[in-house]
Amino acid sequence: SAVISQKPSRDICQRGTSLTIQCQVDSQVTMMFWYRQQPGQSLTLIATANQGSEATYESGFVIDKFPISRPNLTFSTLTVSNMSPEDSSIYLCSVEEGRGEQYFGPGTRLTVT
Amino acid sequence: QKEVEQDPGPLSVPEGAIVSLNCTYSNSAFQYFMWYRQYSRKGPELLMYTYSSGNKEDGRFTAQVDKSSKYISLFIRDSQPSDSATYLCAMKAAGNKLTFGGGTRVLVKP
Repeated sequence: SAVISQKPSRDICQRGTSLTIQCQVDSQVTMMFWYRQQPGQSLTLIATANQGSEATYESGFVIDKFPISRPNLTFSTLTVSNMSPEDSSIYLCSVEEGRGEQYFGPGTRLTVT
Repeated sequence: QKEVEQDPGPLSVPEGAIVSLNCTYSNSAFQYFMWYRQYSRKGPELLMYTYSSGNKEDGRFTAQVDKSSKYISLFIRDSQPSDSATYLCAMKAAGNKLTFGGGTRVLVKP
């Protein structure tokens, strides 16, 4: 399975600022995804990161708040913009492999004060 | 009603017992079924992946899918304290996004 790393692993940010989270995969993958996991909750899909085109966002998530880049088949970034305390969550990237199974990175724990 | 229902627990068992986890779902188009284990402050780890109905065994773990009843299960034999974690079921239809259950907290007591 693909090995996925994320940077930073955690951060504490002030409201109104932005944070960019990086996701690096050790092999080329077509499908990459960004999820949010709020405290004590399950995972919610934010968007599918498409290589060479705009990301596809789920209902309730917009590009202005969560801009995503996917410059190649091994890397993606998610920016959390104009942060508020409600954005405090774990942000996870994942990749889908050939049979449809998904693997997740270690997550980025974000606290907004 | 949620598409995927999972008992939140917590489920507390003594070491060595069998842990039984279940999810029910409503979307008959789901074909791919996964179980993840998530330790506190870590990303989800894929434990089992099954396609369509049937059983799959991997070491101490057995996954069962009953598409006619829209019901999936994960069994952990000879449970260990290191199995204490949150277990998430997830499923998808072909070409669609993954839908997660809410997760079940499991505590295996020494």
